[in-house]
Amino acid sequence: AQSVTQLGSHVSVSEGALVLLRCNYSSSVPPYLFWYVQYPNQGLQLLLKYTTGATLVKGINGFEAEFKKSETSFHLTKPSAHMSDAAEYFCAVSPYGNKLVFGAGTILRVKS
Amino acid sequence: EAGVVQSPRYKIIEKKQPVAFWCNPISGHNTLYWYLQNLGQGPELLIRYENEEAVDDSQLPKDRFSAERLKGVDSTLKIQPAELGDSAVYLCASSKSRGSGELFFGEGSRLTVL
Repeated sequence: AQSVTQLGSHVSVSEGALVLLRCNYSSSVPPYLFWYVQYPNQGLQLLLKYTTGATLVKGINGFEAEFKKSETSFHLTKPSAHMSDAAEYFCAVSPYGNKLVFGAGTILRVKS
Repeated sequence: EAGVVQSPRYKIIEKKQPVAFWCNPISGHNTLYWYLQNLGQGPELLIRYENEEAVDDSQLPKDRFSAERLKGVDSTLKIQPAELGDSAVYLCASSKSRGSGELFFGEGSRLTVL
């Protein structure tokens, strides 16, 4: 079975500061891992994904995440936060990309 | 390219009433999903279709929920009768190929049961 834990339901950063959103997963098979973002009044959209190969993956809007098997983690980072990054972020795990299991989400607030 | 379209966006009903949600996926997307999102939680899969076949409905409460995807295109999710605990956002998503993990979501249908 697969599960996801996102540490921190709310994260607040200043504009220009590092963004770090934490995600730990549990999977009985080699996982596919995803980050989705949901802006207010919009549907979820894919930010980035890891399937196989390079463990550092880059996504849209300057975000990246690193798959660390030993730590069962897939944390999302961005070097410099922008006001437009304010949204809710969901980490998800899947066996072979078929059935995504989502975490509870982290709301990112960016202060000016 | 049009995105995933869902309707209605908002629905308020009294308990024991029926309700239906409609979803039109992106053209050419064979896989269609219905997810349930409760307040403060992540989406949870209700049912997944490959074309017109429901290939994973293990999480669908079949006593009151039903879904169909006629002709393998648009889909309807129905609740009858609705209960107070069904108040949530119902999300529809589609993907071009099975196993890609790249889902395209609609804006959701927010249900309030009074």
